[in-house]
Amino acid sequence: DAKTTQPPSMDCAEGRAANLPCNHSTISGNEYVYWYRQIHSQGPQYIIHGLKNNETNEMASLIITEDRKSSTLILPHATLRDTAVYYCIVRVDGSARQLTFGSGTQLTVLP
Amino acid sequence: DAEITQSPRHKITETGRQVTLACHQTWNHNNMFWYRQDLGHGLRLIHYSYGVQDTNKGEVSDGYSVSRSNTEDLPLTLESAASSQTSVYFCASSYGTSGEQFFGPGTRLTVL
Repeated sequence: DAKTTQPPSMDCAEGRAANLPCNHSTISGNEYVYWYRQIHSQGPQYIIHGLKNNETNEMASLIITEDRKSSTLILPHATLRDTAVYYCIVRVDGSARQLTFGSGTQLTVLP
Repeated sequence: DAEITQSPRHKITETGRQVTLACHQTWNHNNMFWYRQDLGHGLRLIHYSYGVQDTNKGEVSDGYSVSRSNTEDLPLTLESAASSQTSVYFCASSYGTSGEQFFGPGTRLTVL
């Protein structure tokens, strides 16, 4: 699976959009981009995933660049409860089913 | 509602003892996974299973074993606990080839 690079930490004001970047410049054509988050002391939680089209669900939006070398997770109206470590993971669906977690981005939403 | 549970949530044991951590899911997922999480290392895969009677080693499998006798359960056994195995352990499950995994609440294990 391709390697990902994320900033170690980011801050965001409550009520504002949080934009979390992820670089995956070595991504292959059949690799999906997954996002998870982990709120302190809890198990990781799936957020969203996509292949090449932008995706949106009730939690977030995922924007993948046209060359697929980077992506951005958008939390449209961040709340204090969105403070967590966010993980960007690239994997091939249909192959080995485990996930490889990197170090992620610590997002702190400030009041 | 379907869920994934882990027990115990906290455990303190002594070096050399055998310890078993339980993981139970009610989604009927075929895939189950065990991860450990330590400061500075993030989540690392210990063992995983794609179905009954199937088990595979992950990145940090030494000193751990699993068995899958039914769909719902994947117990993790530390044969002879070591202080280096002090960690938070997470169990997860998923269906088919999807990367959407559902994680349990974790077990905090301390080996003295």
